[in-house]
Amino acid sequence: DAGVTQSPTHLIKTRGQQVTLRCSPKSGHDTVSWYQQALGQGPQFIFQYYEEEERQRGNFPDRFSGHQFPNYSSELNVNALLLGDSALYLCASSRWDRDFTGELFFGEGSRLTVL
Amino acid sequence: RKEVEQDPGPFNVPEGATVAFNCTYSNSASQSFFWYRQDCRKEPKLLMSVYSSGNEDGRFTAQLNRASQYISLLIRDSKLSDSATYLCVVNFGGATNKLIFGTGTLLAVQP
Repeated sequence: DAGVTQSPTHLIKTRGQQVTLRCSPKSGHDTVSWYQQALGQGPQFIFQYYEEEERQRGNFPDRFSGHQFPNYSSELNVNALLLGDSALYLCASSRWDRDFTGELFFGEGSRLTVL
Repeated sequence: RKEVEQDPGPFNVPEGATVAFNCTYSNSASQSFFWYRQDCRKEPKLLMSVYSSGNEDGRFTAQLNRASQYISLLIRDSKLSDSATYLCVVNFGGATNKLIFGTGTLLAVQP
């Protein structure tokens, strides 16, 4: 049973460029949340997708956008990269369930460095 | 004010010690609370849920004080393998399950 997979694992971009990160959720999960984790900080909520729609959004600018596909996989896009966007980007999957247990399953993350 | 606040530590304790972590949250409407653990260079993983009546899982005890909007985690008889960052997590989204993480508290258990 494959867990959450993310790609790429590492990437380096320059200021002003655009990046796309990808995530495949754990088998049986239909909800994907994206988090940004800067060094020494906790994960910060970017947004959440369910049924191909953005359901919740954190305090991130419009440069951060996403998409969810019919197979539940998801992409995170960041435009006009800034140095401050350098971080580990974590994808977390879960089931959209009123009896949510609180367990998010995280991928190993995509580490983005902006030069 | 941050949505979920924790003392970042680090907490350096000897093996066998008891250590307590505290956390406060800003949204009084939040209904569910959790502690996650994150090992160095690894992804976060659920450690335990926090219930209003308090709950225990082996050496770990979690408590919630809704009136003070305060959550705690107590670790008894610390082991070297407990060394990690402990993240306080609050569900701000109700039915949509928007989990907000604190900064995390770094625990280093010394031999």
